[in-house]
Amino acid sequence: EPEVTQTPSHQVTQMGQEVILRCVPISNHLYFYWYRQILGQKVEFLVSFYNNEISEKSEIFDDQFSVERPDGSNFTLKIRSTKLEDSAMYFCASVRDREIGGNQPQHFGDGTRLSIL
Amino acid sequence: LAKTTQPISMDSYEGQEVNITCSHNNIATNDYITWYQQFPSQGPRFIIQGYKTKVTNEVASLFIPADRKSSTLSLPRVSLSDTAVYYCLVGDANTGGFKTIFGAGTRLFVKA
Repeated sequence: EPEVTQTPSHQVTQMGQEVILRCVPISNHLYFYWYRQILGQKVEFLVSFYNNEISEKSEIFDDQFSVERPDGSNFTLKIRSTKLEDSAMYFCASVRDREIGGNQPQHFGDGTRLSIL
Repeated sequence: LAKTTQPISMDSYEGQEVNITCSHNNIATNDYITWYQQFPSQGPRFIIQGYKTKVTNEVASLFIPADRKSSTLSLPRVSLSDTAVYYCLVGDANTGGFKTIFGAGTRLFVKA
């Protein structure tokens, strides 16, 4: 079964540095998401992306964050100037399409653990 | 987006049936109910989804009463490997909103 893949699995970065987290969604999927999960806490929605633009974003997704789909296969999350509180697992997810009257489940990658020092 | 309420944790023994109930009193007409499972250091995995009545697949059943204000995930004959966090989500991706809200989930611990 096709999977969502994320790289790297673990990223260690100095506070204030920029970091880019990469995701390769399932190839025929059209809707993309980023989430984060601070250790021991719940999964938090960051942003959703469709048709090369942001569909929704949460209050967490401030000006320090950006997303793009640079080449039609990768989906990236950039944090411009990292803070200690950005330390978390970051999950990417994708959805195939929207069915009229239904919902497609999201397919998640196994995440990137971001550690800010 | 409908808010969901689940028990924080549950314990069970191998071979037992486990039922996890989720309350969603403000569920909207177009909302579907979706359950995910998450193991430590992994992303959530889709388990089952339903709109009303009962849905069954190879791993679980989902029971939804007529008023749809709650739902129950049923895991038959759990094993140690079913120890995980289970999330109930309610929403409709077709209304233009793609904001998915996870609750705190239910931490299921299966003992030998």
